[in-house]
Amino acid sequence: AQKITQTQPGMFVQEKEAVTLDCTYDTSDPSYGLFWYKQPSSGEMIFLIYQGSYDQQNATEGRYSLNFQKARKSANLVISASQLGDSAMYFCAMRGINTGGFKTIFGAGTRLFVKA
Amino acid sequence: DTGVSQNPRHKITKRGQNVTFRCDPISEHNRLYWYRQTLGQGPEFLTYFQNEAQLEKSRLLSDRFSAERPKGSFSTLEIQRTEQGDSAMYLCASSLDPGLAGGPPGANVLTFGAGSRLTVL
Repeated sequence: AQKITQTQPGMFVQEKEAVTLDCTYDTSDPSYGLFWYKQPSSGEMIFLIYQGSYDQQNATEGRYSLNFQKARKSANLVISASQLGDSAMYFCAMRGINTGGFKTIFGAGTRLFVKA
Repeated sequence: DTGVSQNPRHKITKRGQNVTFRCDPISEHNRLYWYRQTLGQGPEFLTYFQNEAQLEKSRLLSDRFSAERPKGSFSTLEIQRTEQGDSAMYLCASSLDPGLAGGPPGANVLTFGAGSRLTVL
């Protein structure tokens, strides 16, 4: 079975500071993809960043980076220089390529509050 | 393309009634997904289509739920004899096969619609 765990229901960060959102996963699939999505209060999920299980380097997309530690099965999202518009729900997600079928599974999410 | 479109955005119904939601994916996307999201939780997978074929259904999808994607374009999700426990946001997402998109095989990036919120009284 595959599982995503996000242990931080809520996080606060001061504007312009960096914040790390935790994600651990469990899968027996040797090949998988990890994703982070943002869901603002408007409700629409927005893709942020992707990391493949065989990628040697951590993924980066602008202010977002994914701290991928394969042995620990963690895929933490780092947001640098937080902005007020970063306040939202953040979901970690995974798709097992060989055994996960066609679905992407999501964690319960972390709500991020950016303070001015 | 204007993205993934879902209708209606909100639906209030009485217990026992049938409801239908529609999803129009990004036109070139061959994959379409339905998810359910309850308050404070992440999306839960319901079902998946590749073109017009429904290839996977979650055990969450009871026999009161049916989804179709005729002609591999738009999709409908119908809930029969609604129950209060069906109240949730129903999210539709679409994606292009990573191989067709030129990306790595695992990079199945989902583009979501704004969702259809169902309230069953």
